[in-house]
Amino acid sequence: KQEVTQIPAALSVPEGENLVLNCSFTDSAIYNLQWFRQDPGKGLTSLLLIQSSQREQTSGRLNASLDKSSGRSTLYIAASQPGDSATYLCAVRGSQGNLIFGKGTKLSVKP
Amino acid sequence: DAGVIQSPRHEVTEMGQEVTLRCKPISGHNSLFWYRQTMMRGLELLIYFNNNVPIDDSGMPEDRFSAKMPNASFSTLKIQPSEPRDSAVYFCASCLWGGGAWETQYFGPGTRLLVL
Repeated sequence: KQEVTQIPAALSVPEGENLVLNCSFTDSAIYNLQWFRQDPGKGLTSLLLIQSSQREQTSGRLNASLDKSSGRSTLYIAASQPGDSATYLCAVRGSQGNLIFGKGTKLSVKP
Repeated sequence: DAGVIQSPRHEVTEMGQEVTLRCKPISGHNSLFWYRQTMMRGLELLIYFNNNVPIDDSGMPEDRFSAKMPNASFSTLKIQPSEPRDSAVYFCASCLWGGGAWETQYFGPGTRLLVL
């Protein structure tokens, strides 16, 4: 059974710092991996989608990498801003299409 | 596009009552997913549909839960009878599946359910 783990569970950094969020999964037979952002009381917003054949994806200040063989993905946020404060969720998709989520990393960026 | 639409956004009910949650997926998407989010268990898949057909309902907690998708633009998740432990945020999501490829999954704003 696929399990997804995110470390750390919470992270507090000063504004401007570069940071890395980690995601690991137990079964490397994934279809793709998706990073989401969730603001308090809100739904999930998709940030990046990495197909199993890809190594990384970039969008603005965000860069996500995927190492399927080792079961790891990282989300790199450059020059963090207070507006980046949210919970970041990693989810892996199996061949059936369903997403299996980690518990998330709660990020706080302090001005 | 308005995105995935869910209603109601908030629901407070008493134990034993029937609860119906509604979802309208993004137009053109052919896969629809129902998730539940709690502090203890995080986000869990309850059931998903491809082309209006239920594919995997192994996440549905028990017979009190049922889901339908009568057409490509509407789905319901029903809880009957509701119990306090059903209190959670229920999300609906949709995406496009075709040619063996799964695209980005988009989530609705969720329905916050509180069962007293």
